[in-house]
Amino acid sequence: GNSVTQMEGPVTLSEEAFLTINCTYTATGYPSLFWYVQYPGEGLQLLLKATKADDKGSNKGFEATYRKETTSFHLEKGSVQVSDSAVYFCALYNFGNEKLTFGTGTRLTIIP
Amino acid sequence: DSGVTQTPKHLITATGQRVTLRCSPRSGDLSVYWYQQSLDQGLQFLIQYYNGEERAKGNILERFSAQQFPDLHSELNLSSLELGDSALYFCASSVEGTIGYEQYFGPGTRLTVT
Repeated sequence: GNSVTQMEGPVTLSEEAFLTINCTYTATGYPSLFWYVQYPGEGLQLLLKATKADDKGSNKGFEATYRKETTSFHLEKGSVQVSDSAVYFCALYNFGNEKLTFGTGTRLTIIP
Repeated sequence: DSGVTQTPKHLITATGQRVTLRCSPRSGDLSVYWYQQSLDQGLQFLIQYYNGEERAKGNILERFSAQQFPDLHSELNLSSLELGDSALYFCASSVEGTIGYEQYFGPGTRLTVT
């Protein structure tokens, strides 16, 4: 079946530091991959997505590249801000499976 | 604002009771998904409806049921509530059928069972 393994948290960084949150997946075929973000007290928001190998999703300074050879979709940002403090979820959608499979989430805290 | 609305925002009830959570999808979205988020289980898919019909089932207990109405809003019914049902319940909606589609999440209903 499908599964997503995410870097354990919590992660605490100083403002302007470089961020990487690791995500690897197990799936058959060619899944679509997503990063969702959940700010305190809110629902999940789609941050970025990639639908095929070597695609790079990007939004708000965040990037992730779909690497089929390593089954990974790591989230990166060059310079984090306090406002990036949130929980980040890696997720996978496999056509025909009709649901998103989520990782466990990584809580990120940015200190000024 | 995702365009998905959920009511109520908070719900406190006692064990053994029954509650109904309501979700209105984004305009034009035919699919509705329900998820449960708890500290120990993370985000779990419960059930999906597409245009009024059940499409997929996940880790949904027999005490829980859902339906989608002709106006496309959906309700999740939780009965014989137990302490362990305390969680955030999210609804999401999507445009069905395209590879790489995304789901839009509502703000959630926080259920506390005492």
